[in-house]
Amino acid sequence: NAGVTQTPKFRILKIGQSMTLQCTQDMNHNYMYWYRQDPGMGLKLIYYSVGAGITDKGEVPNGYNVSRSTTEDFPLRLELAAPSQTSVYFCASSYSIGPGDNEKLFFGSGTQLSVL
Amino acid sequence: RKEVEQDPGPFNVPEGATVAFNCTYSNSASQSFFWYRQDCRKEPKLLMSVYSSGNEDGRFTAQLNRASQYISLLIRDSKLSDSATYLCVVITGTASKLTFGTGTRLQVTL
Repeated sequence: NAGVTQTPKFRILKIGQSMTLQCTQDMNHNYMYWYRQDPGMGLKLIYYSVGAGITDKGEVPNGYNVSRSTTEDFPLRLELAAPSQTSVYFCASSYSIGPGDNEKLFFGSGTQLSVL
Repeated sequence: RKEVEQDPGPFNVPEGATVAFNCTYSNSASQSFFWYRQDCRKEPKLLMSVYSSGNEDGRFTAQLNRASQYISLLIRDSKLSDSATYLCVVITGTASKLTFGTGTRLQVTL
């Protein structure tokens, strides 16, 4: 059981370049999330999805796009990379939101992105 | 006031010590609470869920105080391997309201 798989682990982009961070989970989770974590800071929600075909903005969505064509995959797209997007990105999934263990978040191993 | 606030770190404690972290939340309607552990440059991993009256798992005890709107994490008999950042997570309502604290760094020394 692979859990949440994120690729790539590291990437350096030039300003204005675009890229897609891949995220896939094999736990049949409905909820998927993208977070960014800046040094010494908590995780901030970029986008989330409550199921295939449904996505919504989180706290810091500007400069990013997502899609959820299948339950398993939730890619994050950066169209015009900017230095402010230098961060560590984590994808996560959970079965549901509601009282009980189904709310547990499972994280991918992260992508360290530098925009120079 | 921030939605979720944690004790400032770092906490430097000797092996064997007992250490406690607090996390306060601002929304009284928050329904679920968790402690996650994050090692340097790694992904967060669930340490404990905290529901109603709290729970205990070995050397770790988590408590919830709804009246004062805080949760706590107590670590007894600290080990070197406990050195990490501990993140408080609060869920309020929907999937988008899953809020992380900035974390408390613990360093356990010999």
